[in-house]
Amino acid sequence: DAGVIQSPRHEVTEMGQEVTLRCKPISGHDYLFWYRQTMMRGLELLIYFNNNVPIDDSGMPEDRFSAKMPNASFSTLKIQPSEPRDSAVYFCASIKENEQFFGPGTRLTVL
Amino acid sequence: GEDVEQSLFLSVREGDSSVINCTYTDSSSTYLYWYKQEPGAGLQLLTYIFSNMDMKQDQRLTVLLNKKDKHLSLRIADTQTGDSAIYFCAERRDDMRFGAGTRLTVKP
Repeated sequence: DAGVIQSPRHEVTEMGQEVTLRCKPISGHDYLFWYRQTMMRGLELLIYFNNNVPIDDSGMPEDRFSAKMPNASFSTLKIQPSEPRDSAVYFCASIKENEQFFGPGTRLTVL
Repeated sequence: GEDVEQSLFLSVREGDSSVINCTYTDSSSTYLYWYKQEPGAGLQLLTYIFSNMDMKQDQRLTVLLNKKDKHLSLRIADTQTGDSAIYFCAERRDDMRFGAGTRLTVKP
């Protein structure tokens, strides 16, 4: 199994641009999580899905952030418009039963 | 405050044992986890323990759980320089909550 796949691995964009981060969970995993990691705030849970349905999005910082999971093998996290304070590493993770596995992350830099 | 708390730093000498501690607040947590993160990398699942267990051992790793005190620890025996990383404790309810991470430095 390839593990959780995220793309792109690095993204540099300018303030105001739309950013779309992508995640492919491990096949058969029924939970999918999006996290953001920064030096200042550590690891923050943004949103998670169970069987493609969003369960809790209370961690999403603002309306500029949105996430979708149209099917069991794909999820997106979108930021529109992006701001410099959104610069962080964004991780996707998936769970089946008791084990949660993380993707390698997308390092986002907003100039 | 944080739902899951960890000390931020730990420094040990190569060959010694390392003990990383964590406290959590939700007694209904079902599973508790330890993750390792090396620089520039994602979080790697090291081990986890079910909440009705007291101890779990996996090669050099020993997890101890004191459910009464909501205290979790990770012991790394014979610590090596390759163990230098940030270690995160996490609890699972329906979602997952992480501590801030403990940066382990192993000195030769």
